[in-house]
Amino acid sequence: GNSVTQMEGPVTLSEEAFLTINCTYTATGYPSLFWYVQYPGEGLQLLLKATKADDKGSNKGFEATYRKETTSFHLEKGSVQVSDSAVYFCALSETYGGSQGNLIFGKGTKLSVKP
Amino acid sequence: ETGVTQTPRHLVMGMTNKKSLKCEQHLGHNAMYWYKQSAKKPLELMFVYNFKEQTENNSVPSRFSPECPNSSHLFLHLHTLQPEDSALYLCASSQEGTANTEAFFGQGTRLTVV
Repeated sequence: GNSVTQMEGPVTLSEEAFLTINCTYTATGYPSLFWYVQYPGEGLQLLLKATKADDKGSNKGFEATYRKETTSFHLEKGSVQVSDSAVYFCALSETYGGSQGNLIFGKGTKLSVKP
Repeated sequence: ETGVTQTPRHLVMGMTNKKSLKCEQHLGHNAMYWYKQSAKKPLELMFVYNFKEQTENNSVPSRFSPECPNSSHLFLHLHTLQPEDSALYLCASSQEGTANTEAFFGQGTRLTVV
């Protein structure tokens, strides 16, 4: 079946450091890929997405590129801030272009950014 | 304001109690979802409702009973739960049948079963 694997945390970085959180997936067909962020005490918010191979999603300085050849969707940010401290979830939708709420999630990676 | 509101935010219940979680979306979406978020485990999709019809039930125990009276409201009725059911229960909504949309999540209900 479809699945998402993301690097285990927690990840602790100093402010302005470079961030990479790895995510790989297994899927039949052509899923859409997502990164969601969960701040303490909050629900999930969509951070960025990509709906087809080679698409790059970007938002708030975060980027991820849909790599079909490596089945990856790694999250990157060039310079993290304390306010980026949160749990980050990689996810895929099981059907192409639809069922955007029918998601398979990775386990989440907790990021802590120190001043 | 996410457009998806869940109540209560926190709930403590005994194993013999009956309670309900409520979710309301103000986004005009046609699909709603219940997810379970447990410690150390990925978020698990529990139920999907599309145009008020349940289209997915991921082998969820019958002690969880969903209800979707209209496309804006979703309930999760709970009875005779077990301590391992303690988790954050998240509701989400989306507009199905439209390209390039996203799912919006509520803030969740933190459930503790004692």
